[in-house]
Amino acid sequence: DVKVTQSSRYLVKRTGEKVFLECVQDMDHENMFWYRQDPGLGLRLIYFSYDVKMKEKGDIPEGYSVSREKKERFSLILESASTNQTSMYLCASSLRGITYNEQFFGPGTRLTVL
Amino acid sequence: AQRVTQPEKLLSVFKGAPVELKCNYSYSGSPELFWYVQYSRQRLQLLLRHISRESIKGFTADLNKGETSFHLKKPFAQEEDSAMYYCALAIYRDDKIIFGKGTRLHILP
Repeated sequence: DVKVTQSSRYLVKRTGEKVFLECVQDMDHENMFWYRQDPGLGLRLIYFSYDVKMKEKGDIPEGYSVSREKKERFSLILESASTNQTSMYLCASSLRGITYNEQFFGPGTRLTVL
Repeated sequence: AQRVTQPEKLLSVFKGAPVELKCNYSYSGSPELFWYVQYSRQRLQLLLRHISRESIKGFTADLNKGETSFHLKKPFAQEEDSAMYYCALAIYRDDKIIFGKGTRLHILP
């Protein structure tokens, strides 16, 4: 059973703080993704990674960075949190190079920036 | 440009009535389409994929390349179908998936 876990379910931070969101998957998936989920906007891709130390910008990378030092772990970093980054953040993973690849999602981290 | 459009933000249907969640896509390649679902307080999960041509929880979806649509249908709605539904288009060059903005399905008793 694929398991994607995220370090926190709820997080409250102040404007200007550096924020780390951690995601771990236990199924040896090559691909990992970070999305933000906002009402009326759906899921928007922030960054994704095909392999260790590799990263690609998604649709809304501004204000975010990522780190993938180990295959199972993908971190999302907000260098200086702002109120417009208040959102639900979803991590996902999938196999690479397999057609019709399903993405498996974590439970989400609801981040509030005050 | 690749795009997935779900025209309805909210769809309310009476229990036992038919359900149709609309999805249209724009993609120059050969499309691979999915429906994902998120029930209350649960994680987002795959409901079905067009290539499997399967029925999951009574839901089906047929790819219509002429109309560039992949509508999700169920003949008789059940209360447990209330959830957020996302249509998604796979971009295999990139292993990415593009999601629509979602439709919240509310089944009325």
